Formats: sequence, C-alpha cells, structure tokens
Amino acid sequence: ELKVEQNPLFLSMQEGKNYTIYCNYSTTSDRLYWYRQDPGKSLESLFVLLSNGAVKQEGRLMASLDTKARLSTLHITAAVHDLSATYFCAVDTGTGNQFYFGTGTSLTVIP
Amino acid sequence: SAVISQKPSRDICQRGTSLTIQCQVDSQVTMMFWYRQQPGQSLTLIATANQGSEATYESGFVIDKFPISRPNLTFSTLTVSNMSPEDSSIYLCSGQTSGGREQYFGPGTRLTVT
Repeated sequence: ELKVEQNPLFLSMQEGKNYTIYCNYSTTSDRLYWYRQDPGKSLESLFVLLSNGAVKQEGRLMASLDTKARLSTLHITAAVHDLSATYFCAVDTGTGNQFYFGTGTSLTVIP
Repeated sequence: SAVISQKPSRDICQRGTSLTIQCQVDSQVTMMFWYRQQPGQSLTLIATANQGSEATYESGFVIDKFPISRPNLTFSTLTVSNMSPEDSSIYLCSGQTSGGREQYFGPGTRLTVT
C-alpha cells in the first residue's frame, strides 16, 4: 500500500521566518501535487510537479520534487499570516486514477 | 481547469436516513471522484464515478452504503445511506480534465449525523 507522509503535521511559525514542509512517499512516481485548504473550505491547487527536479515558485512558496529520493518539499519564505492553512501533498502514480494524499500539515503563522 | 459546485454545502441528518449530494462541473471532465475527509484528517477516496456505468469503489467502501450516479460528463451524485454518526465527515467531489491528470475540487459538503 502506498504511503504518503508529511512532516511536520503541525507547524507554528512567526511571521518573517522560513520553513520547509516535507512530503515522503513510498512508491515510484513522477507526479506530485500540492494543495492548500483553509478551514471549512475546499482544496486549492498550488503546484503541479511533473518530473524529477521540477521546481515551481509562487510568491512566498516554492515546491520541488526529487523522484529518486521520493521526496517533495514546500518551502515557505518570510511567512505571513495569510499563509496559515493546511497543506496537502498528493501523489499520482500514473496508473489508475487515484491520488494518494499526504497526512496534511497544519500551518499557523503568528504575527 | 474546471469549476465545481456541490449541494448541499452542509446538512444535519438523523441516524438511519439517507442524504444525496450533488456535484456539478462547469465543463466536461473525463473523470469524477468522491472523497471523504473526516475531521482533522486527510482525504480518502471513496470511488470513481464512471459515466453511464457503475462506480468503481475503493477498499472499505461499498455500493449499498454509497451509491453513486454519473448520468453525463458534468454531473454526479453520491448518496450516503442508512447514516450513522460515524458518517459525519466532509464529502468532496473532484473532476479531472482530459488535458491532464490534475484534480479540481468542489467546496465540499459538511455532513453531521445525530
């Protein structure tokens, strides 16, 4: 069974600081997605990573994918309060249609 | 991309009753999916809604409990049958376009069973 683990599960950080969320998965895949979920809301697509070494950046967030290490990272630069949300990674093995979601990281940015 | 709406957005239901959730997409999608998200948890795939045929269910989910319909390329329903408090969750539908494998999510239906 494919496992997708995120670290940390909970993250509290001060505004202006940097931090990285890690997403490890247990099977071969070269497609990985990052989503953001605000409380009581649905999932918003952040990044689509489709190959080894892919790096995408949007504002204060940067995502990368290392398919050999089966690892994706979501780096937060100079955090602001608006980034407070839960972040999920999702692995697409390319076979079948199922996405395998990570455990989620609940981020709180403290002013 | 695709914009997905769901109805109802939330409901409180009594044990033993059933609720049907509707999912509407603003454009044709090749695949539609139903997920469950229990409070504070990640997403679990319930089933893939297949147009014109029976849905494909994941392990632990059965048609009698979660009947699904998909009469066309833009609409699907999920029924939660004979509900118990353990069915209290957020139910999300998603769509996948023919142009890629990215999934777009609806706003979710928050179900509470008393």
